[in-house]
Amino acid sequence: GAVVSQHPSRVICKSGTSVKIECRSLDFQATTMFWYRQFPKQSLMLMATSNEGSKATYEQGVEKDKFLINHASLTLSTLTVTSAHPEDSSFYICSARAGLVAYEQYFGPGTRLTVT
Amino acid sequence: AQSVAQPEDQVNVAEGNPLTVKCTYSVSGNPYLFWYVQYPNRGLQFLLKYITGDNLVKGSYGFEAEFNKSQTSFHLKKPSALVSDSALYFCAGLDSNYQLIWGAGTKLIIKP
Repeated sequence: GAVVSQHPSRVICKSGTSVKIECRSLDFQATTMFWYRQFPKQSLMLMATSNEGSKATYEQGVEKDKFLINHASLTLSTLTVTSAHPEDSSFYICSARAGLVAYEQYFGPGTRLTVT
Repeated sequence: AQSVAQPEDQVNVAEGNPLTVKCTYSVSGNPYLFWYVQYPNRGLQFLLKYITGDNLVKGSYGFEAEFNKSQTSFHLKKPSALVSDSALYFCAGLDSNYQLIWGAGTKLIIKP
């Protein structure tokens, strides 16, 4: 089946630094990737949608200059949290969708970001 | 507005008993509905989906879901709960832009 990986699985960084999270589709080409944020005991919040080779589309209220998304290839998307603050601490989950099957998304295992 | 609702924050079931996790939806057009499970500090695992066809959908780990158009519901069920089924369950639907809209999640606790 379709597998999506995320790296790292957990990261701790100091306030003011930047951290990059990678999302890879391992056995299929993902024309679209999604980035979600999940707060404790809450549902997933869609942050942005990225299509390979084009700029990401951010959801209302998500700072695009703070959460930089790059979808450079059909198998890799990155989320960079710039100038991280403690309130950015969260669980970040990516998902990938193959172009031909619009309704099937495959989820990565998530990345736990802690900003100290 | 399109939405998916999970009316229960938590469901408690004794091991071996049947379980139901409720979900109702409000989406335009034909509903595409999904159930996912999330274990602590893990990503989401797909359980099952309803696209079209039989109202009773069978999925992974012995779970099934019943699509009811008149009640706009898509409840998740399992005939006999296991302690290992304890997790967070999310219902989701596709909106008109093919983006997933999520329920708030239901914590399922199976007691031995």
